[in-house]
Amino acid sequence: DAGVTQSPTHLIKTRGQHVTLRCSPISGHKSVSWYQQVLGQGPQFIFQYYEKEERGRGNFPDRFSARQFPNYSSELNVNALLLGDSALYLCASSPDRGQNIQYFGAGTRLSVL
Amino acid sequence: DAKTTQPPSMDCAEGRAANLPCNHSTISGNEYVYWYRQIHSQGPQYIIHGLKNNETNEMASLIITEDRKSSTLILPHATLRDTAVYYCIVRPGTGKLIFGQGTTLQVKP
Repeated sequence: DAGVTQSPTHLIKTRGQHVTLRCSPISGHKSVSWYQQVLGQGPQFIFQYYEKEERGRGNFPDRFSARQFPNYSSELNVNALLLGDSALYLCASSPDRGQNIQYFGAGTRLSVL
Repeated sequence: DAKTTQPPSMDCAEGRAANLPCNHSTISGNEYVYWYRQIHSQGPQYIIHGLKNNETNEMASLIITEDRKSSTLILPHATLRDTAVYYCIVRPGTGKLIFGQGTTLQVKP
């Protein structure tokens, strides 16, 4: 079975642009979470979606938004990119709302120039 | 969520057991201890979790002290592929994961 897949793998943007990152969860998983990992740090929680509704949000500005589709895939959108948004963006899926165990994708490496 | 303290780095000889400690002195009664690891350029990988009893699976063993204020992750026969950052996370069994800095384990031949 396929694991969590994320696209694109790498992305380069300039300041002020917006970006959309995509995530396909493991088949049968209904919960998707997004994390940001800045170089040298542990991942930081951004959002959790379950059954297409936002169930949790981390301490990130409103420039960050996300949604989940009927097939449980998800998009993370970031507007007005800043240099500090350069990071590895990770998606994790879980079969349940409680996210007892989360399964991570390989991430999208975003570079903002 | 309770805060955890881990050593920043550790070395281990290939084939030997790797013992990774974690302190979580403020853990609450309903909080579990989870371990994840992140191999370079990959997403974090779940290893094991436990509440108060020792746990073992195909990857590792988790030893939790009786007072639950600390735990140890044991990789019984470390290989070069076990070189990674290991994160100890305390959470109530649901919700977001709060990652700290973790322990960088270097397995040496």
